[in-house]
Amino acid sequence: GQNIDQPTEMTATEGAIVQINCTYQTSGFNGLFWYQQHAGEAPTFLSYNVLDGLEEKGRFSSFLSRSKGYSYLLLKELQMKDSASYLCAVSPGTYKYIFGTGTRLKVLA
Amino acid sequence: GAGVSQSPSNKVTEKGKDVELRCDPISGHTALYWYRQSLGQGLEFLIYFQGNSAPDKSGLPSDRFSAERTGGSVSTLTIQRTQQEDSAVYLCASSLGLAGGDEQFFGPGTRLTVL
Repeated sequence: GQNIDQPTEMTATEGAIVQINCTYQTSGFNGLFWYQQHAGEAPTFLSYNVLDGLEEKGRFSSFLSRSKGYSYLLLKELQMKDSASYLCAVSPGTYKYIFGTGTRLKVLA
Repeated sequence: GAGVSQSPSNKVTEKGKDVELRCDPISGHTALYWYRQSLGQGLEFLIYFQGNSAPDKSGLPSDRFSAERTGGSVSTLTIQRTQQEDSAVYLCASSLGLAGGDEQFFGPGTRLTVL
């Protein structure tokens, strides 16, 4: 079967660093995506990894290890506006996507 | 430019009625996806269109669900004889249709409530 696992909920303090993990088991691998979704809004693209290693984009970084079926999203210098759900999605093949249930992040003042 | 738009934003219907949801993708995007998101859940893939190829309907939960995409642009998702378990937010996304790293742009969704 195809499976993506993420923690359901995380809490962190403003200004801190938080790491959201994602593990996956899929029949194929054509890349891993992270999306941010604020409550009541549509998901928006954050990052894409297809090769092992770290991709950095401002305060956000995403890491991938294909051999371990593992990724994480690292958020630095947390801000209140970062409170949202973070969705991990794997593409097991061209034009196919499987989304995890998302990690709800609460940033406290 | 305009993003992905969906209509209606909210739909309340009675069990057994048919509903039609509309999606206007970003101009020039060849790929279009429909997803369903129930409260507190991830995105459940429903159907995918790419160019003139036959759609991938593998995610449709039952034969009450159908979708079409006219002229490679606007898409409608039709749910016949709605059931209470169909209540969810229906999200549409479009993309350039790249073979890899294909960022999806999501619409605001249609919140469907079946009474």
